[in-house]
Amino acid sequence: TQLLEQSPQFLSIQEGENLTVYCNSSSVFSSLQWYRQEPGEGPVLLVTVVTGGEVKKLKRLTFQFGDARKDSSLHITAAQPGDTGLYLCAGTQGTSYGKLTFGQGTILTVHP
Amino acid sequence: EAQVTQNPRYLITVTGKKLTVTCSQNMNHEYMSWYRQDPGLGLRQIYYSMNVEVTDKGDVPEGYKVSRKEKRNFPLILESPSPNQTSLYFCATRGTGWFMDNQPQHFGDGTRLSIL
Repeated sequence: TQLLEQSPQFLSIQEGENLTVYCNSSSVFSSLQWYRQEPGEGPVLLVTVVTGGEVKKLKRLTFQFGDARKDSSLHITAAQPGDTGLYLCAGTQGTSYGKLTFGQGTILTVHP
Repeated sequence: EAQVTQNPRYLITVTGKKLTVTCSQNMNHEYMSWYRQDPGLGLRQIYYSMNVEVTDKGDVPEGYKVSRKEKRNFPLILESPSPNQTSLYFCATRGTGWFMDNQPQHFGDGTRLSIL
């Protein structure tokens, strides 16, 4: 059983469409991070959210941390082919600062 | 330039033949970690190290060993590799400032291991 469940696992959309990726858990996380990974490379951090209800924006990307700190979402507005990649959420719990748990990932393909 | 360097990048080997994947970082970070990535499972943490001579198990430590004798290096050792350890492996590091969670984690480019 995955501690962090991401959905959907695959997303194929046309350029200009909006999309949302979800990261859900039954457990509370002290922080959640979102990464983007391209083929042949390691994940790259996009954002960290730490406060329940927090919303962060990164250009066309909006990240939200649930009020109860059990879930998070990534919303992309007007997707572009350059957004194509694997999106991963990852969280830390309590004072276990060294342990990082990842979701399964969402493979996003944006067609021109 | 901040770098996390893994070697080798690719390795095909046989069951039971001990191997070591090296990881080196130039950021003077105390924290380092190893993950494996398998399709549909995301990244799973194998071991992590909060500082020199301090290592802890992640979620999937079985079949792996690590050592942290110096700050910059964190090798991953497979004493007797088996086919179920065929995977893509990533080393990562991050700072341990007053609020570690906010520190970005820097990943290497990965090591693809195939155990026959």
